[in-house]
Amino acid sequence: GENVEQHPSTLSVQEGDSAVIKCTYSDSASNYFPWYKQELGKRPQLIIDIRSNVGEKKDQRIAVTLNKTAKHFSLHITETQPEDSAVYFCAASTGRNAGKSTFGDGTTLTVKP
Amino acid sequence: SAVISQKPSRDICQRGTSLTIQCQVDSQVTMMFWYRQQPGQSLTLIATANQGSEATYESGFVIDKFPISRPNLTFSTLTVSNMSPEDSSIYLCSAGGQGTRTYEQYFGPGTRLTVT
Repeated sequence: GENVEQHPSTLSVQEGDSAVIKCTYSDSASNYFPWYKQELGKRPQLIIDIRSNVGEKKDQRIAVTLNKTAKHFSLHITETQPEDSAVYFCAASTGRNAGKSTFGDGTTLTVKP
Repeated sequence: SAVISQKPSRDICQRGTSLTIQCQVDSQVTMMFWYRQQPGQSLTLIATANQGSEATYESGFVIDKFPISRPNLTFSTLTVSNMSPEDSSIYLCSAGGQGTRTYEQYFGPGTRLTVT
């Protein structure tokens, strides 16, 4: 089955700096890569996603890049703010109709004011 | 995006008993899933809830322990049977395949279960 590895497990940055979280996956059939943000005690929230036919996607301060050949994808957060502090999960999925996702272990991001 | 609710939000149960968790989606969705999340850890898929047929379980999870129902395209239940303290966790319902957003998956608020 699919295996998703996520690094780093913890990340601390100063407010205004950039943060980068990286994930690798094993199943070449995976074609959808979402990122979730989970604040303490709350549900995971989809913040950005990318499909395999696209190399990069950006939404305001967050962006995701995908390298299908190397089987890795990354989340980039620019101009970080304290409210970006949370646990971020990457995931990999195959097929349409919200095929089941395999999640990485998560990255705890702390943005220091 | 789909709006997902779960009941109960939390419960404290005695070992040996069973708890049924309900998941309601505000619109028809193709796929519904049940996940478990231990505090501070990632999400582990328990099973895919299939409408009108038996759920598809992941390795390490069995129907006798986690029976699942999905009578229609907006509702599902997960039962945690014969509970032990090791079942203490957060159980999350997830849904996706809604309309044109066929890839996106959304989560319910979770049910925090403590088994004593």
